[in-house]
Amino acid sequence: GAGVSQSPSNKVTEKGKDVELRCDPISGHTALYWYRQRLGQGLEFLIYFQGNSAPDKSGLPSDRFSAERTGESVSTLTIQRTQQEDSAVYLCASSFDASGGEITDTQYFGPGTRLTVL
Amino acid sequence: RKEVEQDPGPFNVPEGATVAFNCTYSNSASQSFFWYRQDCRKEPKLLMSVYSSGNEDGRFTAQLNRASQYISLLIRDSKLSDSATYLCVVNWARQLTFGSGTQLTVLP
Repeated sequence: GAGVSQSPSNKVTEKGKDVELRCDPISGHTALYWYRQRLGQGLEFLIYFQGNSAPDKSGLPSDRFSAERTGESVSTLTIQRTQQEDSAVYLCASSFDASGGEITDTQYFGPGTRLTVL
Repeated sequence: RKEVEQDPGPFNVPEGATVAFNCTYSNSASQSFFWYRQDCRKEPKLLMSVYSSGNEDGRFTAQLNRASQYISLLIRDSKLSDSATYLCVVNWARQLTFGSGTQLTVLP
């Protein structure tokens, strides 16, 4: 079946503008994650959605970042008043997260959105 | 101190060589462990989970030492197609923490 898709694939914006990034998870996957990867660095966890539970927002770097998810489908990550330090690849992943505590199911990543803030 | 630390490399090895990557993690309550592979400008893909008993998948062997908070990945008979960045990943409270990755280049 189709994998995780993200749009746009590339986004160039000016400092101070708002941007919205979209993620379509694999159908049936209950868990959805957003990560950020700066050039040459590892992935930073941003936010996690699991079903109808309250999202885990502990990784969001500032209140300029927010994310929403409608049910178990599409998610949008919004960055307000973008700064140059926000330039990175934003990766979305989904998994069928049926277990209670451990992550036992593979996270499948989308191709990412490359954000450049000028 | 980083939560997950890896030697960034790069490791440049000839085809057929055996290469080992190490990783240490700081959170002793970490629950599960993985190795992911990331090709240049691509998304990460799961290579294998890591279990305390050690596990093997073809040419790849992963080991976990919870007492030392240490994870390893061994690649035998390396192929050109193994060239990538290998990410050590640790889970705690449903949150994955990624190491910065170890870059491997297999040379013909």
